[in-house]
Amino acid sequence: NAGVTQTPKFQVLKTGQSMTLQCAQDMNHEYMSWYRQDPGMGLRLIHYSVGAGITDQGEVPNGYNVSRSTTEDFPLRLLSAAPSQTSVYFCASSYSSGVETQYFGPGTRLLVL
Amino acid sequence: SQQGEEDPQALSIQEGENATMNCSYKTSINNLQWYRQNSGRGLVHLILIRSNEREKHSGRLRVTLDTSKKSSSLLITASRAADTASYFCATLSPNSGGSNYKLTFGKGTLLTVNP
Repeated sequence: NAGVTQTPKFQVLKTGQSMTLQCAQDMNHEYMSWYRQDPGMGLRLIHYSVGAGITDQGEVPNGYNVSRSTTEDFPLRLLSAAPSQTSVYFCASSYSSGVETQYFGPGTRLLVL
Repeated sequence: SQQGEEDPQALSIQEGENATMNCSYKTSINNLQWYRQNSGRGLVHLILIRSNEREKHSGRLRVTLDTSKKSSSLLITASRAADTASYFCATLSPNSGGSNYKLTFGKGTLLTVNP
């Protein structure tokens, strides 16, 4: 199993550009989530999904969109990038609704100029 | 706002010593989890303790949970240089709608183990 994979590993954007961060898991996990990690802030939940077709907002959802059309994939879309979205983004998954151990991807480092 | 808060923010010890990190949280929880993050990498799950458990062991790790004080501690015994990493506690609690759960992370403790 590849586990949780994220692409790209690193991305530079200009203010106002849009992009999609990809996340995929091959463990048949129902629960998937996106976090951002900023220095001194720990991880903050952006959006999560408890299954295909079901998504919900986390702690810091503004400026981000998600969809879950399949169990495997959970992309995160930045609609109009801002410097405040410079961060490291982690995708995670677990078997059920976040009750159990989360498996994390390696992260995407995003720089918005 | 952060649910879990780790203490200390940074800890530096010698190889072979024990390392203790603490986590405090604010609301009732279903479980509490500890994760490790090596520099530039993703988080790796270490141990999970449920709200009705008081202590759990896994290898050189010992976790305690005191729900009356809303606190947990992670003890790493006989530390090694390879234990150098950031350690995060995460608390699982129902979200505001009550239909699902959310996992909320603290800011982490940076542990440095010197050879």
